[in-house]
Amino acid sequence: DARVTQTPRHKVTEMGQEVTMRCQPILGHNTVFWYRQTMMQGLELLAYFRNRAPLDDSGMPKDRFSAEMPDATLATLKIQPSEPRDSAVYFCASGPGQGFEKLFFGSGTQLSVL
Amino acid sequence: DAKTTQPTSMDCAEGRAANLPCNHSTISGNEYVYWYRQIHSQGPQYIIHGLKNNETNEMASLIITEDRKSSTLILPHATLRDTAVYYCIVRPAGGTSYGKLTFGQGTILTVHP
Repeated sequence: DARVTQTPRHKVTEMGQEVTMRCQPILGHNTVFWYRQTMMQGLELLAYFRNRAPLDDSGMPKDRFSAEMPDATLATLKIQPSEPRDSAVYFCASGPGQGFEKLFFGSGTQLSVL
Repeated sequence: DAKTTQPTSMDCAEGRAANLPCNHSTISGNEYVYWYRQIHSQGPQYIIHGLKNNETNEMASLIITEDRKSSTLILPHATLRDTAVYYCIVRPAGGTSYGKLTFGQGTILTVHP
């Protein structure tokens, strides 16, 4: 089955370090979403792309977070510098981009910032 | 997007039907009802969606009231693997949302042996 692939699955880092999370969307999907999940806030939308162009990144702290799609097969989410409050599970999802369809989520990257 | 209200938690016996309610009294005419679930340590998984007619697929049935202000997700024969958080989401079709989903707190469904 086609699936969204996220790497790494787990990441432990120290405060101040740069963190890069990667996502390979399902082949042919042209929308990509980044979500963050914490116990306190639940699932929050950080940013999303259509045809590699960012549509909305208002959910993302601009000073330290950046999201890009270098090509159609790769989406990245970077945090620099990382802080303990960034500890969360980060999910990537992709969809065909027609507005009615279901989204497919990856297994997430569990980030711990010490 | 319309706000949804779901019970915080529900229990169900294995083999029985699980009926998960969702209130969306402010839903607009062009907004669909979507259901996703999240099993522990996994990403959310699509279950079903509908506009105003009842829908059924291999996973579940979706019953939407005639006034569209509430809906019920039915898992006809719940198994232990159905234990998860179930999210009811309302969002407009098309436009610039391109599938964007806004998650609430969901309902924690626990299926007991």
